[in-house]
Amino acid sequence: AQSVSQHNHHVILSEAASLELGCNYSYGGTVNLFWYVQYPGQHLQLLLKYFSGDPLVKGIKGFEAEFIKSKFSFNLRKPSVQWSDTAEYFCAVNPGGGADGLTFGKGTHLIIQP
Amino acid sequence: GAVVSQHPSWVICKSGTSVKIECRSLDFQATTMFWYRQFPKQSLMLMATSNEGSKATYEQGVEKDKFLINHASLTLSTLTVTSAHPEDSSFYICSADSAGGYTDTQYFGPGTRLTVL
Repeated sequence: AQSVSQHNHHVILSEAASLELGCNYSYGGTVNLFWYVQYPGQHLQLLLKYFSGDPLVKGIKGFEAEFIKSKFSFNLRKPSVQWSDTAEYFCAVNPGGGADGLTFGKGTHLIIQP
Repeated sequence: GAVVSQHPSWVICKSGTSVKIECRSLDFQATTMFWYRQFPKQSLMLMATSNEGSKATYEQGVEKDKFLINHASLTLSTLTVTSAHPEDSSFYICSADSAGGYTDTQYFGPGTRLTVL
């Protein structure tokens, strides 16, 4: 079974700071990788996803993530955060090639201070 | 596009009663839908995979007789919590696969908060 580890449970940054949220997964085969965001009081929204191809994936709202297969990592980055990025961020995986449910990391609560 | 709705958004019930939660894909057909459970300040845990026209597949540790799932059409899946108890209080979230079950993005509903008294 796969597992997902997010290293930072709480992150506090000032506006305009750079962001990197770590995500490592454990699974021996091909995986699909996702980052979802959950703004306060709202449902999960997809930020970006990786299935194959270019390991550097660009998503919405200026976010990007890099898949490093050798490190089993899929870290999320944003060069300059905004107050509106305050939210819960979840990394998720599912095995590639099939319609499987997602395994989520525990989430990172990001607070951006104005 | 790719909107998923859930009804109700919140429900309070007495212990021992059953509660049905609906999950609908509004603008696409979903052969596969998923049910998750989210505890306060924690992550989502997959409960079951719901396939249209067939029995749901439950994750280990999830009681299939307690959490009844029906996927009667390509746009509707229901989760019924039977004989609910306070420990069933949680946030239940569904998602739908937009690609007919062939590995694509899951779109999530807004969730249903269940409180069992």
